[in-house]
Amino acid sequence: GQNIDQPTEMTATEGAIVQINCTYQTSGFNGLFWYQQHAGEAPTFLSYNVLDGLEEKGRFSSFLSRSKGYSYLLLKELQMKDSASYLCAVRDSNYQLIWGAGTKLIIKP
Amino acid sequence: ETGVTQTPRHLVMGMTNKKSLKCEQHLGHNAMYWYKQSAKKPLELMFVYSLEERVENNSVPSRFSPECPNSSHLFLHLHTLQPEDSALYLCASSQASGTGNEKLFFGSGTQLSVL
Repeated sequence: GQNIDQPTEMTATEGAIVQINCTYQTSGFNGLFWYQQHAGEAPTFLSYNVLDGLEEKGRFSSFLSRSKGYSYLLLKELQMKDSASYLCAVRDSNYQLIWGAGTKLIIKP
Repeated sequence: ETGVTQTPRHLVMGMTNKKSLKCEQHLGHNAMYWYKQSAKKPLELMFVYSLEERVENNSVPSRFSPECPNSSHLFLHLHTLQPEDSALYLCASSQASGTGNEKLFFGSGTQLSVL
């Protein structure tokens, strides 16, 4: 079966760095997405990786290793507004999106 | 208005009620989706309308019935729901390109409680 694993919850301190991991086993691979979802709000697109390596966007970076079935989202200079759930999703060989259950990130002052 | 809007934001209904969820996208996209989001579970794809073709998840009970009258509007008709159907229902849209990198734009969802 197809599966996406990510930690259920993480806690970090304001101003610090946090890495949220995502591992996947899917039928084929056509890209990996990260979305951010604040409580009671819509998920919003953060990043897309289809080739191995690091993609940087301001304070957020996303890394992909296709051979390891592994990605991470790196958040630097954490702010209180970064408290949210982070969803990992993989597009498989049929172009279907397979979702992880999300990682709830709690930022403490 | 811009983006994807969903109404109502909150809905409480009894098991014998009939209600409808509405979604409207103002992005000019050609694909629309209904997802179910339950606590600590992955998003479950319920229905897709893409390029005017409906793609249905076979595990969706018949008490959920989608309707897509045009590329901008999507409805989810609810009838005789069960308490386990209580969840956040998210609508999304995208520009279907077949390239894999198309991203979804979500509405804020309808929080449904079935009593």
